[in-house]
Amino acid sequence: DAGVTQSPTHLIKTRGQQVTLRCSPISGHKSVSWYQQVLGQGPQFIFQYYEKEERGRGNFPDRFSARQFPNYSSELNVNALLLGDSALYLCASSWTGGSAEQFFGPGTRLTVL
Amino acid sequence: EDQVTQSPEALRLQEGESSSLNCSYTVSGLRGLFWYRQDPGKGPEFLFTLYSAGEEKEKERLKATLTKKESFLHITAPKPEDSATYLCAVVYSGGGADGLTFGKGTHLIIQP
Repeated sequence: DAGVTQSPTHLIKTRGQQVTLRCSPISGHKSVSWYQQVLGQGPQFIFQYYEKEERGRGNFPDRFSARQFPNYSSELNVNALLLGDSALYLCASSWTGGSAEQFFGPGTRLTVL
Repeated sequence: EDQVTQSPEALRLQEGESSSLNCSYTVSGLRGLFWYRQDPGKGPEFLFTLYSAGEEKEKERLKATLTKKESFLHITAPKPEDSATYLCAVVYSGGGADGLTFGKGTHLIIQP
């Protein structure tokens, strides 16, 4: 069975640009969460979606937005990129969200120049 | 104040030398504690979920335990392939969101 997939693998952008990252959950999973991980730190929670509704949001500015589609895939958008947005962006899927186990994808490495 | 603290930050062991990693948490209303393994440049790999104090889970050379204030990941007779960063995370009530709150991880190196 396929795990969580993310695209693209790597991305280079310049300050001020916008970026869209994509995630496909494990088949049957209805919840997707997004995390940002900078080097040497644990992942930080950005958003959680369940059945296309936002279930929770971490402490990130409004430049970050996301959505979940009817097939449960998801997109994370970041506007007006800053150098500090450079990080590994991780997507995780679970059956129901909440305290259910979350399974992570390989991540998208974003570099902002 | 960090809500999830992992110690030590880094640990170097000889192959076969057993040890334990610690994860302490200060959140109230714990709904679940999770252990992950992460290799460099990759996404975290799920290991265990613990839901209540006294619970224990095992997988190969790893055993996770949970008390009301902390969790331990015991590694028995480790091998070089166990080298990785081990992350602890919690989900708790009152946080306003259902996402995982992670510690900074323990970087484990097993030398042959």
